[in-house]
Amino acid sequence: AQSVTQLGSHVSVSEGALVLLRCNYSSSVPPYLFWYVQYPNQGLQLLLKYTTGATLVKGINGFEAEFKKSETSFHLTKPSAHMSDAAEYFCAVSEDYIPTFGRGTSLIVHP
Amino acid sequence: GAVVSQHPSWVICKSGTSVKIECRSLDFQATTMFWYRQFPKQSLMLMATSNEGSKATYEQGVEKDKFLINHASLTLSTLTVTSAHPEDSSFYICSASSGMIKNEQFFGPGTRLTVL
Repeated sequence: AQSVTQLGSHVSVSEGALVLLRCNYSSSVPPYLFWYVQYPNQGLQLLLKYTTGATLVKGINGFEAEFKKSETSFHLTKPSAHMSDAAEYFCAVSEDYIPTFGRGTSLIVHP
Repeated sequence: GAVVSQHPSWVICKSGTSVKIECRSLDFQATTMFWYRQFPKQSLMLMATSNEGSKATYEQGVEKDKFLINHASLTLSTLTVTSAHPEDSSFYICSASSGMIKNEQFFGPGTRLTVL
């Protein structure tokens, strides 16, 4: 069985500060890992994904995430937050074609 | 590429009526489509998985007779909420997979259903 834990329902940062959104997973097989962003009243947009290969994955909008098998983590980072990054972020794990989503983390960016 | 649309984007209906939501893959053939429900400030809850030409597989606790899913073609799936009640009000999101890239789904923009 697969599961995802996102630490912190809300993360607040100042514009220009480092963004760190935490995600830990459990999976019985090598997982596929995803980060999605959701803006109000919109669907999900894929930020990045890990399947195989390089453990540091770069995505859109300056985000990146590192797959750490020993820590079963897939934390999302961005060096410098922008006001437009304010949104809901979902981490997801998938062993087959059906992902399991975390509860989401709301990123708040202060000017 | 890989665009998924939903129609309508929002709908308001009276209690007891039925509402149909369409999900289309615009530039690829979707062998599998998924329907999710999302409550305010919460994560996505998978309702059902549908493969073209076959019956949908519903998740535990989802009423099959309440939420009718049809996947008649490789580009269209529909979700019909029958005899809607206020507790059915929610944000419904579909996603589609072509199967070409394993485990990757493309999400529609969602449909906001409000039942009065």
